[in-house]
Amino acid sequence: KQEVTQIPAALSVPEGENLVLNCSFTDSAIYNLQWFRQDPGKGLTSLLLIQSSQREQTSGRLNASLDKSSGRSTLYIAASQPGDSATYLCAANTGNQFYFGTGTSLTVIP
Amino acid sequence: EAGVAQSPRYKIIEKRQSVAFWCNPISGHATLYWYQQILGQGPKLLIQFQNNGVVDDSQLPKDRFSAERLKGVDSTLKIQPAKLEDSAVYLCASSLELGSNQPQHFGDGTRLSIL
Repeated sequence: KQEVTQIPAALSVPEGENLVLNCSFTDSAIYNLQWFRQDPGKGLTSLLLIQSSQREQTSGRLNASLDKSSGRSTLYIAASQPGDSATYLCAANTGNQFYFGTGTSLTVIP
Repeated sequence: EAGVAQSPRYKIIEKRQSVAFWCNPISGHATLYWYQQILGQGPKLLIQFQNNGVVDDSQLPKDRFSAERLKGVDSTLKIQPAKLEDSAVYLCASSLELGSNQPQHFGDGTRLSIL
């Protein structure tokens, strides 16, 4: 069974700093990996989806990378802003099911 | 495009009562998912539909939980009877089709509290 781990569980950074969130998965046979953002009391908002054949995806200040062989993905956030404060979750898609990590709670301090 | 709609947003019931949640996915999305998210954890898949057929319900507690998607569009999830450990947020998500490289889109969820 696929297991997804996210480290750290919580992160606090000053505004303007660049940061990296980590996601690891135990089974490299994934279809794609998706990063989400979750604000308090809200559902999940899709940020980036990386297909298994891709190495990275970019959207604005966000860049996600995927290394299937090592079972790792990273989400890079450039020039962080207070509005980036949220919980970030990754999900590994095996083709039939998405397996989620427990998330990284990010606080960006003005 | 309109997003995934869920109702109600909040529900408070006593243990052993029953409750139902409703989800309307994005138009044209064949795959629909119900997740349970306990505070501090990632979402856990309960059941997955492709059109009106069940693809995976291996983690659905079938003695108390049931779900249907009769016409392959909107879906309901029911709990009967509820237990204290069912307190969670119930999220509905949809995607274009199973096995595609299309992202999942989530609703805002229903927050269930069991007294």
